[in-house]
Amino acid sequence: DAGVIQSPRHEVTEMGQEVTLRCKPISGHNSLFWYRQTMMRGLELLIYFNNNVPIDDSGMPEDRFSAKMPNASFSTLKIQPSEPRDSAVYFCASSLSDARRTRQYFGPGTRLTVT
Amino acid sequence: KQEVTQIPAALSVPEGENLVLNCSFTDSAIYNLQWFRQDPGKGLTSLLLIQSSQREQTSGRLNASLDKSSGRSTLYIAASQPGDSATYLCAVVLGSNYKLTFGKGTLLTVNP
Repeated sequence: DAGVIQSPRHEVTEMGQEVTLRCKPISGHNSLFWYRQTMMRGLELLIYFNNNVPIDDSGMPEDRFSAKMPNASFSTLKIQPSEPRDSAVYFCASSLSDARRTRQYFGPGTRLTVT
Repeated sequence: KQEVTQIPAALSVPEGENLVLNCSFTDSAIYNLQWFRQDPGKGLTSLLLIQSSQREQTSGRLNASLDKSSGRSTLYIAASQPGDSATYLCAVVLGSNYKLTFGKGTLLTVNP
């Protein structure tokens, strides 16, 4: 199994530009999570999908952030317009159906720098 | 609001030493607790998962314990090796939801 796949691994963009991060969860997993990691705040959950449906997006910072999961094997996190304070490492994770009982498997992350 | 604290923030030990990393949480109504390892520039790797009904889990040189009533968990690493150098994070899931709440981690350095 290839594990959770994220792309790109690194993204540098200018303030105001649109950024799209991509994630392919582990095959057979139907829970997907997007996290953000910064030095100041640590790891924070942004949004959680179950069976492709957004269950909780209360961690999404503001309307500039949006996430989609059009099918079981693909999800995107979009920031439009981007700001320097969005600079962070963004992780995607997946788990089997009951996320309370099973481990979450993390992708390698996308390091985003907004200048 | 669940808060997870890890002490110490950083730890440096000589190779071969046994060591303990600590994790505490404020809400004891957890569903499970997980320990992760994060290498620089990499994602997180799940090491151990302890369900709320369990007291400990072991994997190789790692042993994690859970005391729900006191809101504490420890990760014991036996005979540490330089390859164990990484940041170790503890995370809990509350009984009422699926969210992982993470501590800030302990940066471990094992010196050869």
